[in-house]
Amino acid sequence: QKEVEQNSGPLSVPEGAIASLNCTYSDRGSQSFFWYRQYSGKSPELIMFIYSNGDKEDGRFTAQLNKASQYVSLLIRDSQPSDSATYLCAVDMNYGGSQGNLIFGKGTKLSVKP
Amino acid sequence: DAGITQSPRYKITETGRQVTLMCHQTWSHSYMFWYRQDLGHGLRLIYYSAAADITDKGEVPDGYVVSRSKTENFPLTLESATRSQTSVYFCASSESGRGYEQYFGPGTRLTVT
Repeated sequence: QKEVEQNSGPLSVPEGAIASLNCTYSDRGSQSFFWYRQYSGKSPELIMFIYSNGDKEDGRFTAQLNKASQYVSLLIRDSQPSDSATYLCAVDMNYGGSQGNLIFGKGTKLSVKP
Repeated sequence: DAGITQSPRYKITETGRQVTLMCHQTWSHSYMFWYRQDLGHGLRLIYYSAAADITDKGEVPDGYVVSRSKTENFPLTLESATRSQTSVYFCASSESGRGYEQYFGPGTRLTVT
């Protein structure tokens, strides 16, 4: 069973704090990892992708990947109320006859309190 | 406008009726995908297409049919709608296959009564 696991939350952080979102995946062969943000009633929006072990920074967002532990995380620095959304982790996995389609976690709901 | 669009945005239909959801992208992306999103299940892949005239099943294909005669269009048909197909449907596209990010359309909220 190919799985991507996320804590459903809600994760509540005060404005200005660091929000830490975590994701684990089951397929050791996965190579590509994505974070999407989804506001209520809207479609998922790509915010970060990471392919190599280590950290990748983009503005207030940092993606961290540890393939040995099968773990990927997203850090949001200086969290703002506008960051309040559900964050989806997506991982490429082979299953059946498909070649590396994305498997999505169920998402973590983040709430940033003013 | 460039991007990926879906129509209709909202649809109410009756059990047993056929309904087609449309997806159109202007990026000339090779890959296109259909997902459904339900509470408790997250996003699940229904069908995907690697190119015109090439389609394949995803995780939950039963009750759905797809076609792709042109690169830019990827319609999804529910041949005989059931209440369990009430969901939000998202179309996505990707420049290529494995390793490439997917971009999502705005979604279609389908209710089957």
